[in-house]
Amino acid sequence: EVQLVESGGGLVQPGGSLRLSCAASGFTVSGNYMNWVRQAPGKGLEWVSVTYGGDGTNYAESVKGRFTISRDNSRNTVFLQMNSLRVEDTALYYCAREGEGVTMVRGVINYYYYMDVWGKGTTVTVSS
Amino acid sequence: SSELTQDPAVSVALGQTVRITCQGDSLRRYFASWYQQKAGQAPVLVSYGKNNRPSGIPDRISGSSSGDTASLTITGAQAEDEADYYCNSRDSSGNRLFGGGTKLTVL
Repeated sequence: EVQLVESGGGLVQPGGSLRLSCAASGFTVSGNYMNWVRQAPGKGLEWVSVTYGGDGTNYAESVKGRFTISRDNSRNTVFLQMNSLRVEDTALYYCAREGEGVTMVRGVINYYYYMDVWGKGTTVTVSS
Repeated sequence: SSELTQDPAVSVALGQTVRITCQGDSLRRYFASWYQQKAGQAPVLVSYGKNNRPSGIPDRISGSSSGDTASLTITGAQAEDEADYYCNSRDSSGNRLFGGGTKLTVL
């Protein structure tokens, strides 16, 4: 069964650190784009970061320089190291696998991407 | 701009058709994907690419795109379609984008 299980969330003081884990089963993280997406209480989805290829990574501006995404292919797990945490980082953090495809539209190649597997999330609360 | 804009809320009568839209410059280059999220649950992919549906998603849900606007249409809305819907794409730098979400109410 294809599955993602997040862990590592908890309560931390502002300025503190946490490391989230996302364990995959049924597929290999090394062959996929792997994302972290968060959702603050009562708010919408916010993309956080993606890892892909060998060492490719992207970050949302709101976390750049504070968060680091990584993969351990031997453990089939993706991590999110979160440093200098702020109150506004409080959210449910989801891990999501992202697929890609290509199609032709009027003779033009169009790429598309989609997050087809999501975990149940792990909660991070930043508060003093 | 690297943003995706959705109407915050839409309502539809049971059995009628509703269209949820998502607007953004990135949609001129990339197809949107759409996610349904019910209260207390993780998002679920419901539409992606030109008009693809994952297995298990009913064919009353369909996606389309024109210019800078992507649409998710539910034909014959059911009570179980009541949820928050999010569009997703990416910008030219590879950063992923989510719309602000649309709360669908089925009356």
